[in-house]
Amino acid sequence: TQLLEQSPQFLSIQEGENLTVYCNSSSVFSSLQWYRQEPGEGPVLLVTVVTGGEVKKLKRLTFQFGDARKDSSLHITAAQPGDTGLYLCAGALNDMRFGAGTRLTVKP
Amino acid sequence: KAGVTQTPRYLIKTRGQQVTLSCSPISGHRSVSWYQQTPGQGLQFLFEYFSETQRNKGNFPGRFSGRQFSNSRSEMNVSTLELGDSALYLCASSLGGAGKNIQYFGAGTRLSVL
Repeated sequence: TQLLEQSPQFLSIQEGENLTVYCNSSSVFSSLQWYRQEPGEGPVLLVTVVTGGEVKKLKRLTFQFGDARKDSSLHITAAQPGDTGLYLCAGALNDMRFGAGTRLTVKP
Repeated sequence: KAGVTQTPRYLIKTRGQQVTLSCSPISGHRSVSWYQQTPGQGLQFLFEYFSETQRNKGNFPGRFSGRQFSNSRSEMNVSTLELGDSALYLCASSLGGAGKNIQYFGAGTRLSVL
């Protein structure tokens, strides 16, 4: 069982659609990070959230940290093919724990 | 500033062999963490080194070992390879501890065990 559960596991949508992916845990984290990984590359950090209830925006991406610091969501508005990739959430304990990821495909 | 460099990018080995993977962190970063990524298990933490000392260790058998040199470069060794060791091995560096600082990942070494 993963410490961080991500859903959905796979998501295939058309360009222009909106989507939300979730990252849930029963553990409390001091911070939570979202990464995007493209084929043949390592994960690249998108954002770090540290305060319960925090909302951060990065262009068309909106990240929210749950009030209890156990869960997070990533919302993408008007998805584009360039958003295609594996989205990973990671929580900081003594080390970083990663979810299994949401594989997003945006079709033109 | 150069990013995290992992070598080699691809490796093919047979069962029973051993393998050594290398990671050069971003200049000035003292922490290096290693992860195994497979389609079924996702990213699994192997271990973290900080100033040449192993600081944290994940739940992997003793066949997986590592070390860090005085220049912060790190190597990971897997002995007596098994088919299930086929994976993408990622290295990440950070200024301080992996749990407290932003990690920057290399492109990984893809290991195939035949």
